[in-house]
Amino acid sequence: QLQLQESGSGLVKPSQTLSLTCAVSGGSISSGGYSWSWIRQPPGKGLEWIGYIYHSGSTHYNPSLKSRVTISVDRSKNQFSLKLSSLTAADTAVYYCVRGGSSWPFDYWGQGTLVTVSS
Amino acid sequence: QSVLTQPPSVSAAPGQKVTISCSGSSSNIGDNYVSWYQQLPGTAPKLLIYDNNKRPSGIPDRFSGSKSGTSATLAITGLQTGDEADYYCGTWDSSLSALFGGGTKLTVL
Repeated sequence: QLQLQESGSGLVKPSQTLSLTCAVSGGSISSGGYSWSWIRQPPGKGLEWIGYIYHSGSTHYNPSLKSRVTISVDRSKNQFSLKLSSLTAADTAVYYCVRGGSSWPFDYWGQGTLVTVSS
Repeated sequence: QSVLTQPPSVSAAPGQKVTISCSGSSSNIGDNYVSWYQQLPGTAPKLLIYDNNKRPSGIPDRFSGSKSGTSATLAITGLQTGDEADYYCGTWDSSLSALFGGGTKLTVL
């Protein structure tokens, strides 16, 4: 059974950069031609897609976040990562790593990690 | 404001049927598959329906999806208290950016 687990900084100061990593177990991140995504959910609000990285390594980002987002993959460690820069309080959210993207449904989700932007 | 429109809340009694609508446009729902996600309180979302009407393994047939034109519908029959959750529809736009509805809170009375 595929499992995804987020890790990274839980409290980040405004204007700084958020860094999260998603460790994938129970399957190879390089097999199957899947894309791998990040999705976030502000407290008490709905889901917002951040972006995904294709199996080829190319990326596709939410236009509203594109200038601040970088998603990368480390196939040797079977993990992918998210960097989000110039943080504000509006970026406070639970961040999920997910398998899916590029018209593939989001079928496996990590448990999510809360990132709080505060000084 | 989400591009996909869902009712904020729906409710029904145990054993009854409820439907949740998701309205979009020709450039998203009208041209792409729709998925539905269930988010139980305090947990990550779970894929409930994909490709408009397919159920992943383990999802009971009480849950069904349909799509017509630029709208999609999730139906849940034989409601149980354990179905109380937030439900989100999702699809893609013409550039393959993912879109979600604002979510619908289901209350089982």
